[in-house]
Amino acid sequence: DIQMTQSPSSLSASVGGTVTITCRASQSIHNYLNWYQQKPGKAPKLLIYVASSLQVGVPSRFSGSGSGTDFTLTINSLQPEDFATYYCQQSYSSPLTFGGGTKVQIK
Amino acid sequence: EVQLVESGGGLVPPGGSLRLSCAASGFIFSDFWMHWVRQAPGKGLMWVSRINGDGTYTDYADSVKGRFAISRDNAKSTVYLQMNSLRAEDTAIYYCVRLQLGEFGDSWLDPWGQGTLITVSS
Repeated sequence: DIQMTQSPSSLSASVGGTVTITCRASQSIHNYLNWYQQKPGKAPKLLIYVASSLQVGVPSRFSGSGSGTDFTLTINSLQPEDFATYYCQQSYSSPLTFGGGTKVQIK
Repeated sequence: EVQLVESGGGLVPPGGSLRLSCAASGFIFSDFWMHWVRQAPGKGLMWVSRINGDGTYTDYADSVKGRFAISRDNAKSTVYLQMNSLRAEDTAIYYCVRLQLGEFGDSWLDPWGQGTLITVSS
């Protein structure tokens, strides 16, 4: 199975600030990497697919980059509604695997 | 609007069984692979099972293989997860998710149902 490692596991940031979350795969997954946002008590929601493609309706302050084993989710101009937990997920091979999550909290 | 609605969750004793259902609407159900993903309380996401569009291929996480069975009824636009020999560690919210396929073998999970909670406890 491909292991997905996210860092950090949690962080504090201010409204208006910039957040960077890293996801590392245990082997190359090319660009088969997706990012999801989950708010408390809610289902995950797709943010970015294929490493850098923004899902329809997702604000442009979210961006993704990377290929191979190292990927990044960046949130610019952090808004109050962005405080949530973020997960990466590889779709290169079965079983699908997720990172452990990064909780973004208000500073 | 594409929608997935799970049902069938609840409290079940260890060793018991439960069947989850996920009713889909807003898209051609038989065109899509469907997945189940679970989330234990306070924990991360774990893939559980998948089924192809016509129901001829299924796949499971090692931790549920031989105990869970995924199936679908395309006439009813519904996917099921039959869960047998349940254990305390199966306690989780179970999400039904559609797999969207890209042009180059890539894929992503969207949308997700609201989830249904399974609690395995005596």
